[in-house]
Amino acid sequence: SSELTQPPSVSVSPGQTARITCSGDELPKKYAYWYQQKSGQAPVLVIYEDTKRPSGIPERFSGSSSGTMATLTISGAQVEDEADYYCYSTDNSGHHRGLFGGGTKLTVL
Amino acid sequence: EVHLVESGGGLVQPGGSLRLSCAASGFTFSSYWMHWVRQAPGKGLVWVSRISSDGSITGYADSVKGRFTISRDDAKNTLYLQLNSLRVEDTAVYHCAREGATGSYPDYWGQGTLVTVSS
Repeated sequence: SSELTQPPSVSVSPGQTARITCSGDELPKKYAYWYQQKSGQAPVLVIYEDTKRPSGIPERFSGSSSGTMATLTISGAQVEDEADYYCYSTDNSGHHRGLFGGGTKLTVL
Repeated sequence: EVHLVESGGGLVQPGGSLRLSCAASGFTFSSYWMHWVRQAPGKGLVWVSRISSDGSITGYADSVKGRFTISRDDAKNTLYLQLNSLRVEDTAVYHCAREGATGSYPDYWGQGTLVTVSS
């Protein structure tokens, strides 16, 4: 079955660039999406269709995708960016199913 | 403003049933596909189910297929998830989410309702 793999944790100092990766065999054919979830809150979409940023999401958030890997980049990470980040895609089964990565805890300190 | 409010969670014994509801407002509910996503305590997001805008197409994660049923009532702007044959491992916060206009992904999410399966 399809899987999306993320590193469990990433740590950066404020102002540094944070990169979170997501790998999966479906990604060459499917878009990747990224969600931010702060403690006790609902997830928020920060990147859709590999590279697009919803309105209201700061410009320091960007996305890219190449082959079987998608990457979320936070340029100049802020303390308030500390959160769990999840990638998402859809599987190729034709059964209209979604799929999340295991999540990455971003620490900014 | 998009607003999604889940309800119906609670404590249930293994093998029991619950029906979750998601009240939608701030958008034309009948025009959008909808999702359910769950999150066990301290764990990651897990996609559960999805339904088309007209209710004719549904999809389920393998872990819930045959036990959970997604449905919708457009007259009430409400999404449902019927949970049957519940297991301890179904314990989670269940979020409903609207699907994005351009693809098969959740864009706006509700805060969720907690389902606890325990004897």
